[in-house]
Formats: sequence, structure tokens, C-alpha cells
Amino acid sequence: QAALTQPPSVSGAPGQRVTISCSGSSLEIGPGHDVYWYQHLPGAAPKLLIYANDSRPSGVPDRFSGSRSPTSASLAITGLQAEDEADYYCQSYSRLTYVFGTGTKVTVL
Amino acid sequence: EVQLVESGGGSVQPGGSLRLSCKASNFIFSNYWMSWVRHTPRKGLEWVANIGQSGGAKYYAASVRGRFTISRSNADHSLHLQMDALRSEDTAIYYCTRGSSGEYPGFYFDFWGLGTLVTVSS
Repeated sequence: QAALTQPPSVSGAPGQRVTISCSGSSLEIGPGHDVYWYQHLPGAAPKLLIYANDSRPSGVPDRFSGSRSPTSASLAITGLQAEDEADYYCQSYSRLTYVFGTGTKVTVL
Repeated sequence: EVQLVESGGGSVQPGGSLRLSCKASNFIFSNYWMSWVRHTPRKGLEWVANIGQSGGAKYYAASVRGRFTISRSNADHSLHLQMDALRSEDTAIYYCTRGSSGEYPGFYFDFWGLGTLVTVSS
């Protein structure tokens, strides 16, 4: 199953807003397929950031927000901070298989 | 806080075998689906396999089906992955992850371990 498509990298200055897109086929990211987002800091365990398209687990700052359209999803980070420098992955679930995005490296300038 | 600690990684030649383990703590292990997910620089994250609460239900990614076997021991809160007929493309960091507490596997992974590195090379 093909991976979901993300931009390889995005960057922004502290305090700025950045967005990461996630796209795929309708079988993976179409209606009825929720999208999830993970943050992977170097040397740390990946962390669930957004579930069911736009919900945040307890403890995740509201600087992180998720949204989606019929065939894509986005993660926005507002008020970018140095500690946000990490890899970010989207993920969906389709036909008993979990499909991940290609990953986006966020660099804080 | 939920803790998942993987072990068992290492270097092995193509065709060889390796057994990974994951020790879970601070949650009722027997209530949850568990999965293995791996990460490679080339392919990124890839789901490998998952297992239901009792160990009866098991699902595998096509890339590992027939070569890998997932299992669990609820008595000692541990998850395992037996990897046979290893290939160079199995080289990755393998993460233990927690799924849902329901009847079905769930759609995402809410907790991950730090991972264990598996290198398959001659």
C-alpha cells in the first residue's frame, strides 16, 4: 500500500505558523478515513499529536491543530518554538492496514 | 505514565532470525491491542503486525507475512516479535506500540516505545 504524501521539509522562524499537508488516494484518506498525526523528536519515542483529524490528546499544546478536506489533511503549528523541531508523520487506516505518511522535517530557523 | 521498553535488537545476516521483546507497564496490558511498527530512513514508518488482547487475533503487513510471528504474554506484560528469514530491507528501528482497548484493533497508536535497532547485513 502506497504511503501518504507529505512535503519532505518545512521551516519557520520562532513564533511563526507552519502547516504540513498529507494527501493520498480516496481509499486511504477519503471520507470515512480519519487522519492521525505523530511527532518524532530525535532520540525519543514517537508521540501521538492529533487523533480523529482534529482532536488533541491530553497534554498536547493547543498550538498544534489538525484539519482535513475530503481528500487531504493538514497539521498546523502556530507560535513555532525551538522544541517543535522534529519529524512529523500523518497516518490513516484502511482495509486492516495502517498507512503512514512519508514524513516531514520541521526546522525552526 | 504508560511505558513500553523494547529489547532484542542487533545485527544478523540475511536469512537469519531475531526475537524482539517489549515490556509494558503502568496500564492493564491484557486490555489492549498491541502492534509493532518499524522505521527506516528510506521508507519511513511502516506498520508490521498487531495482536488482539487474548493473542488469538493477529494481522501482518504483506511485507512480513509468513516470516514474522507476533505473540504476547499477558502474565508478564510482554509483547514479542519472532523474525525469521530476515532480509536487508528489514533493517529498521522497531517500535512497540499500543492500540485500542476495544474489540477491534483501533485506528491509531497512542503510546510508543523508544525502539530497538535491527540490522540485517552480511
